[in-house]
Amino acid sequence: DAGITQSPRYKITETGRQVTLMCHQTWSHSYMFWYRQDLGHGLRLIYYSAAADITDKGEVPDGYVVSRSKTENFPLTLESATRSQTSVYFCASSLGQGVSEAFFGQGTRLTVV
Amino acid sequence: AQSVTQLGSHVSVSEGALVLLRCNYSSSVPPYLFWYVQYPNQGLQLLLKYTSAATLVKGINGFEAEFKKSETSFHLTKPSAHMSDAAEYFCAVSDQGSSNTGKLIFGQGTTLQVKP
Repeated sequence: DAGITQSPRYKITETGRQVTLMCHQTWSHSYMFWYRQDLGHGLRLIYYSAAADITDKGEVPDGYVVSRSKTENFPLTLESATRSQTSVYFCASSLGQGVSEAFFGQGTRLTVV
Repeated sequence: AQSVTQLGSHVSVSEGALVLLRCNYSSSVPPYLFWYVQYPNQGLQLLLKYTSAATLVKGINGFEAEFKKSETSFHLTKPSAHMSDAAEYFCAVSDQGSSNTGKLIFGQGTTLQVKP
């Protein structure tokens, strides 16, 4: 099916472990984004990418790493998970032309214990 | 830095009543503005967007929003609430200088409760 998909939907990991959240889109959108959603903060941008091999930091990048070797994939890695990274993570993409809205995946609920 | 403020983290209305969700933005240049809806355990879905073509914007599910530059506001309304409108609503603004990228700054969100 066309769209933007995230995996896994739910993940529990231990403090200090590395974990990777996957994001895949089938629209060939130029831009991709990772947001985290926390109560009282709305959505905050972690990293974004304008194209393959082009990434940039958002508002809250510390503790996260991204890569984009292919246009359709934009994985987010927590190098050493901390409890403060317990959150719901959303991947989004946009065409990057005109008034581009962002299209969101279903989210990954990550719990760090 | 740009910011978006949604007044009221929780709004409760009766079914059939007017829905009014408030959003104010800070920007020296009129930005692009968006309202998204999030149903439980789902991603965000675009309700409507302001692109400067018209100040009154109509969206899906009977929602509309009016851009008021003088008040730096973009409030979301619906004349008659349905039970199915219960969800969380986010106002967002395009990041200044990145208006065509989809890079957005979000408000804190407003949870809409609809009472029977």
